[in-house]
Amino acid sequence: GAVVSQHPSRVICKSGTSVKIECRSLDFQATTMFWYRQFPKQSLMLMATSNEGSKATYEQGVEKDKFLINHASLTLSTLTVTSAHPEDSSFYICSAGRGGPSSYNEQFFGPGTRLTVL
Amino acid sequence: AQSVTQLDSQVPVFEEAPVELRCNYSSSVSVYLFWYVQYPNQGLQLLLKYLSGSTLVKGINGFEAEFNKSQTSFHLRKPSVHISDTAEYFCAVISMDSNYQLIWGAGTKLIIKP
Repeated sequence: GAVVSQHPSRVICKSGTSVKIECRSLDFQATTMFWYRQFPKQSLMLMATSNEGSKATYEQGVEKDKFLINHASLTLSTLTVTSAHPEDSSFYICSAGRGGPSSYNEQFFGPGTRLTVL
Repeated sequence: AQSVTQLDSQVPVFEEAPVELRCNYSSSVSVYLFWYVQYPNQGLQLLLKYLSGSTLVKGINGFEAEFNKSQTSFHLRKPSVHISDTAEYFCAVISMDSNYQLIWGAGTKLIIKP
């Protein structure tokens, strides 16, 4: 149980286009979803936390207008990279949690999406 | 601020040899501790976790870790590694200090030599 999927697994796009990444919890309801970015040979950087039906909470330094997060249902969250540029190329990983944001919340991770912006 | 330190960025070890990957954290309150593994070009998989109870935690793939509160450590061990254990290993911590967010270590790359 507790499977999280991401789609697409890889995407290559031209500079200036927008890319949408989907994160789904397949066999549980995710009250909270997290979006991470991972640079090569580095650890994960939390970008934002989203709760179903409310606005995402972005970490300091993350542009909310550039990285649009929607958590429309208890099983789906999307990250849209708007007007992507080469510096946005990265590995994006989502995770989903069953608990609330202010309590222990084990996160189940998706397989990641490799974004390459040409 | 809470932090997680993985002192070794890379650990090379011969196949079938034992290995220990070190993790230290800074927190003055109760913590939950995790080890995740990331195989090349993949997401993260939970190896094991410590929430409470016995300080020796056994996980998947033959890994185990010991929570040492006095030394604020949670080192990961395996008595005999296999070539398939080649991966990046991340230690992470959750506590009230971090507002229940996962705080990540920088990762340790385990390199298995044949």
